[in-house]
Amino acid sequence: QKEVEQNSGPLSVPEGAIASLNCTYSDRVSQSFFWYRQYSGKSPELIMSIYSNGDKEDGRFTAQLNKASQYVSLLIRDSQPSDSATYLCAPDLTDKLIFGTGTRLQVFP
Amino acid sequence: DAGVIQSPRHEVTEMGQEVTLRCKPISGHNSLFWYRQTMMRGLELLIYFNNNVPIDDSGMPEDRFSAKMPNASFSTLKIQPSEPRDSAVYFCASRWTGGNQPQHFGDGTRLSIL
Repeated sequence: QKEVEQNSGPLSVPEGAIASLNCTYSDRVSQSFFWYRQYSGKSPELIMSIYSNGDKEDGRFTAQLNKASQYVSLLIRDSQPSDSATYLCAPDLTDKLIFGTGTRLQVFP
Repeated sequence: DAGVIQSPRHEVTEMGQEVTLRCKPISGHNSLFWYRQTMMRGLELLIYFNNNVPIDDSGMPEDRFSAKMPNASFSTLKIQPSEPRDSAVYFCASRWTGGNQPQHFGDGTRLSIL
């Protein structure tokens, strides 16, 4: 089993819809979780972090964490074509992050 | 604040040549990471340093790859001799490991080995 599992996609959603991106992880000691967005030809950039079970909202983004289920998700409300990118989930193993392979999101007008 | 700075941005060279990639981490960060990204394999961690000391180099593909961090503000990743299969985007990232801190990535070096 991979340490971090993400559906590679592409996940296609219409503009204005909610995009739901999911991630499961195998390590039980992860305390922090990060979501990165990577546009084609660019480097990954941090968009959300979450440390506690439950939801964390930042603008149109909501991160959800369930440590018991080893599951973290990212919701993007009112999706825009500019949200089209690959989204990487990254649990923190204290000394390093473990990156998933990413989910490619396509938002069509 | 300046972010992670990588150079060169692009490198095209012939097979067999030595390639040196450079990275300047964010000031105050004590961990530095080198990644390689390809379409086939995604983002792979090659090696990382804590306080300038290499901690885990298990991701380094072969002895042709080596990395150094002579001080807190500079690191190099060297490939010698280079091969076409080394063509990829190489990212450097840094972070402060004081707890719950994200990694910050440089813009990457796009390497093409002909």
